[in-house]
Amino acid sequence: EAGVVQSPRYKIIEKKQPVAFWCNPISGHNTLYWYLQNLGQGPELLIRYENEEAVDDSQLPKDRFSAERLKGVDSTLKIQPAELGDSAVYLCASSPNSGSAETQYFGPGTRLLVL
Amino acid sequence: KQEVTQIPAALSVPEGENLVLNCSFTDSAIYNLQWFRQDPGKGLTSLLLIQSSQREQTSGRLNASLDKSSGRSTLYIAASQPGDSATYLCAVQGGADGLTFGKGTHLIIQP
Repeated sequence: EAGVVQSPRYKIIEKKQPVAFWCNPISGHNTLYWYLQNLGQGPELLIRYENEEAVDDSQLPKDRFSAERLKGVDSTLKIQPAELGDSAVYLCASSPNSGSAETQYFGPGTRLLVL
Repeated sequence: KQEVTQIPAALSVPEGENLVLNCSFTDSAIYNLQWFRQDPGKGLTSLLLIQSSQREQTSGRLNASLDKSSGRSTLYIAASQPGDSATYLCAVQGGADGLTFGKGTHLIIQP
């Protein structure tokens, strides 16, 4: 069974440019998460989707970040414009549902460097 | 706001030793606690999940315990091997939310 797929794996852009990350969750997983991981830190939740609905986006900086999960399958996270402080690893995770017994399966992440 | 602390931040031990990683959290109202492993440049791999009603979980050489009332969990690794070298992350889930992670313990097993 394929795991969570993310692309691109690496991205280097100049500040003020737009950037987008793509995630395809494990087939059949209804819940999708985007996390941000800074160097030496644990991941921090940005947004959680239940099917196509964003049910928790309180930590998403909405002035420059946006996300969508059309048709409740794959998802895109966008930053426009990017700032130097956005350099980090962006992780996508999925789980069958959001219940207490459900572990989250993580993709390899997209490593972003903003110059 | 939930806060998760992991001690120690880094640990280096000779191969074969048993070791314990510690995790504490401030809000005991959790759904579950999970331990993950992260290799350099890679995503996270789930090791163990303990539901709030459980006290411990075991998988192979790994044993995780949970004391929800005191806000503590430990990950015990028996007979450590060089392949166990990685960063170990503790995370708690409160309600139907995403996970709140600690900063991790960077573990090195010396051959």
